[in-house]
Amino acid sequence: ETGVTQTPRHLVMGMTNKKSLKCEQHLGHNAMYWYKQSAKKPLELMFVYNFKEQTENNSVPSRFSPECPNSSHLFLHLHTLQPEDSALYLCASSQGTKLGETQYFGPGTRLLVL
Amino acid sequence: TQLLEQSPQFLSIQEGENLTVYCNSSSVFSSLQWYRQEPGEGPVLLVTVVTGGEVKKLKRLTFQFGDARKDSSLHITAAQPGDTGLYLCAGTRSGYNKLIFGAGTRLAVHP
Repeated sequence: ETGVTQTPRHLVMGMTNKKSLKCEQHLGHNAMYWYKQSAKKPLELMFVYNFKEQTENNSVPSRFSPECPNSSHLFLHLHTLQPEDSALYLCASSQGTKLGETQYFGPGTRLLVL
Repeated sequence: TQLLEQSPQFLSIQEGENLTVYCNSSSVFSSLQWYRQEPGEGPVLLVTVVTGGEVKKLKRLTFQFGDARKDSSLHITAAQPGDTGLYLCAGTRSGYNKLIFGAGTRLAVHP
C-alpha cells in the first residue's frame, strides 16, 4: 500500500465510449501525476498538477482530459480512444514538484480499447 | 532513441545467482532513482543516488551512480524469487522538474 489508490483496476472500452479513471491519494501531498505505461516502452508522463493547477501537459491528445478538483483527487476522462491507447495508466503523487521529490505510485488502471 | 537505456531487457536466473543491470545515458543527470514494479502494481522507489561515484546498499541490492553521473548500475547478490519484477531507472536533469524513465529490465528468479 503506497497511499495512492486507483479505480477501476481494469477497464475495457469501445472506441466510442466515454469513461473516467479515478485516483485518490491519502498522503497529504500537493502534486499529482498521470503516466502511461505501454508494453516495452518507458513510462511516459502525461500531466502534472500542483495545488490543483495543471503545470504540465506533455503533448497529450485531447481525447484524454484530466481533472483535479482538489489536491487529493485526480481524474482522467477518456473519450473516442484508439486501440493504441491501450496501456497501464498510473497515477502518482508527491509532496511538491521540486526536483527529485519522491513520487508514490498507485497500482494503475489496465485499459483495453477495442 | 531513449534518453535512458536499460540493459538487459530480460534476465532469467536461478535462485542464489548474482546479477547486474545497467542504466546508461549520454546525458548528465542530477539524480537517478531505481524502482521495482511487480505485476499488477505501480513502481515502488528503491533508492535515489545524487552524487557521482555514490554507492548505496539496500540489503542484497547495491546501487552505484557513475562518476560522470551518466549511468548507474544495480547489483543483486544471491537473488531470491521475491526479487522478481520489472526494475526501472529514472533520472532528473538540471532545469527539468520531471522524471525520465528507462524501459526497464524484467527479472525472473526461479527457485
